[in-house]
Amino acid sequence: EVQLVESGGGLVQPGGSLRLSCAASDFTFSKYSIHWVRQAPGRGLEYVSAISADGGDTYYADFVKGRFTISRDNSKNTLDLQMGSLRVEDMAVYYCARVGYHGVYDIWGQGAMVIVSS
Amino acid sequence: EIVMTQSPATMSVSPGERATLSCRASQSVSSNLAWHQQKPGQAPRLLIYDTSTRATGIPARFSGSGSGTEFTLTISSLQAEDFAVYFCQQYDNWPRTFGQGTKVEVK
Repeated sequence: EVQLVESGGGLVQPGGSLRLSCAASDFTFSKYSIHWVRQAPGRGLEYVSAISADGGDTYYADFVKGRFTISRDNSKNTLDLQMGSLRVEDMAVYYCARVGYHGVYDIWGQGAMVIVSS
Repeated sequence: EIVMTQSPATMSVSPGERATLSCRASQSVSSNLAWHQQKPGQAPRLLIYDTSTRATGIPARFSGSGSGTEFTLTISSLQAEDFAVYFCQQYDNWPRTFGQGTKVEVK
């Protein structure tokens, strides 16, 4: 089954760090750009970061620039989001999403919950 | 940043009835508009892309229309499994942006 599975969520104090991972299966991972999208409790969806298929280009929403780093290992079919200097407002479910041939999110992971609290 | 505005925020519909959801973009997104469905505790699922093309496995009762700044998702006859939140999303410009969602609930 074509799927993305996130891991690494959890509780972290403000100012702390956390690393999320996204594992892909049953598709040629190296051919697709992948994005991270988050959803705060009771809120809508919000783009966070993106990485090109070969990992050579990375993009960030302004509110995470300088704090988050996206990376991928195409030999392992995995994607990471290293999150630092976490804020209460970063608390959300983080989804990795595949960008399909039409440029749209066609496959979503099940999400990883990040709780930022003291 | 393109702002996506959905209306209504919530709609109450009886099973078997038609539901029409609206999405407006603050500037033209051409036809680069998608709709995603999200059920409680689940990840979003792609329903429609390129304004009107159904994703794989999506039933024909879901249809999309519009262009530029005004878009519509229509569910022709609501089934029990269709009660959910629907998000529109533009992928014409960076950053990708989403509407705040329309919750379709049972009347």
